[in-house]
Amino acid sequence: SQTIHQWPATLVQPVGSPLSLECTVEGTSNPNLYWYRQAAGRGLQLLFYSVGIGQISSEVPQNLSASRPQDRQFILSSKKLLLSDSGFYLCAWCRGDEQYFGPGTRLTVT
Amino acid sequence: QQQVKQSPQSLIVQKGGISIINCAYENTAFDYFPWYQQFPGKGPALLIAIRPDVSEKKEGRFTISFNKSAKQFSLHIMDSQPGDSATYFCAAAYHMDSNYQLIWGAGTKLIIKP
Repeated sequence: SQTIHQWPATLVQPVGSPLSLECTVEGTSNPNLYWYRQAAGRGLQLLFYSVGIGQISSEVPQNLSASRPQDRQFILSSKKLLLSDSGFYLCAWCRGDEQYFGPGTRLTVT
Repeated sequence: QQQVKQSPQSLIVQKGGISIINCAYENTAFDYFPWYQQFPGKGPALLIAIRPDVSEKKEGRFTISFNKSAKQFSLHIMDSQPGDSATYFCAAAYHMDSNYQLIWGAGTKLIIKP
């Protein structure tokens, strides 16, 4: 069966510090991968998606970037965090039309 | 238009009652309509989904009703239970190149009163 992992689960970072969030998927190959952000009590905002290694599409211009160094690994990064980057970051993968989410990373920028 | 409009924003239902959440869309290219359930601090989980060639789909206590001509779809939760208290998101999918993307509703916070 397929499993999606995200780490860390929670993170508190000061403004201006770098960020690296990791997502890995097990039990499937060449999945489409997605990064979403969810502000408190709000809906999901698509940040990036990837259809293969090294292929990244950005949906929202911002100070975040994404990379896919391996088939089942998706990384979300920032060189300098802003207060507005706080939120719940979710990674997802696709099987056909069905999208499955990881457990999320709660990021608080102070 | 790529928006999916979801209502109500919040909903309180007595235990045993029927919870109804509605969504509307404009883009006729959407071809897949899922509903997700999210508990606090967790990622959304796929609950039930429907394609536009079907008017209704039922899985246990959860039913999607789909009205293609009105471009509306809704989630009905029968015999609502306190454990159903969560935030529910509707979404609509469209295909672009080798990828597909989900356009999300804003969510409905459902509270089931014991």
